Amino acid sequence: QKEVEQDPGPLSVPEGAIVSLNCTYSNSAFQYFMWYRQYSRKGPELLMYTYSSGNKEDGRFTAQVDKSSKYISLFIRDSQPSDSATYLCAMSAGVTSGSRLTFGEGTQLTVNP
Amino acid sequence: GAGVSQSPSNKVTEKGKDVELRCDPISGHTALYWYRQSLGQGLEFLIYFQGNSAPDKSGLPSDRFSAERTGGSVSTLTIQRTQQEDSAVYLCASSRWGDQETQYFGPGTRLLVL
Repeated sequence: QKEVEQDPGPLSVPEGAIVSLNCTYSNSAFQYFMWYRQYSRKGPELLMYTYSSGNKEDGRFTAQVDKSSKYISLFIRDSQPSDSATYLCAMSAGVTSGSRLTFGEGTQLTVNP
Repeated sequence: GAGVSQSPSNKVTEKGKDVELRCDPISGHTALYWYRQSLGQGLEFLIYFQGNSAPDKSGLPSDRFSAERTGGSVSTLTIQRTQQEDSAVYLCASSRWGDQETQYFGPGTRLLVL
């Protein structure tokens, strides 16, 4: 079983829809939770960063972490065609593990005009 | 400012040849990471540098893989006697001391072993 599980999709939504992306994990040592966006043939770009449980909002993006359920989410409001990309969740146990990131498989999202 | 850069962008090699992949981190970033992204495996950690030392090499898949970092800056990942299963995108990331979870990735090197 993988430490981080993420539905690879693909997920296709109309422009303006609310998108919900999720990951589950099994390692209770994870303390830092990230969402990356990756466009085709590009490197991952950090979107959201959350420490421990709670919510964080940045513009159209909201990240939620529920450590009790080992479940994290990313919500995208008013989705745009430019949001079409692969979204990767990533987690870290912190400096005790060298801050290495463990990634989900990524969810491929397409927002249709 | 300049982001993480990697070279070459693409590399095609024959099975059994050695390859070197280069990473230039963001200036001032003390931590440097190598990851590999392949179909079916996702993004996997390979090795981590803090300065010039590598306290965590646990992700290197075999002794054919090695990496070094000099001057606390540029890093080179070397794959000896390449195999077809080494074909993947090799990504480098860097981060600041004290904020190591915030990792900035380069564009990657796409390696194809024929």
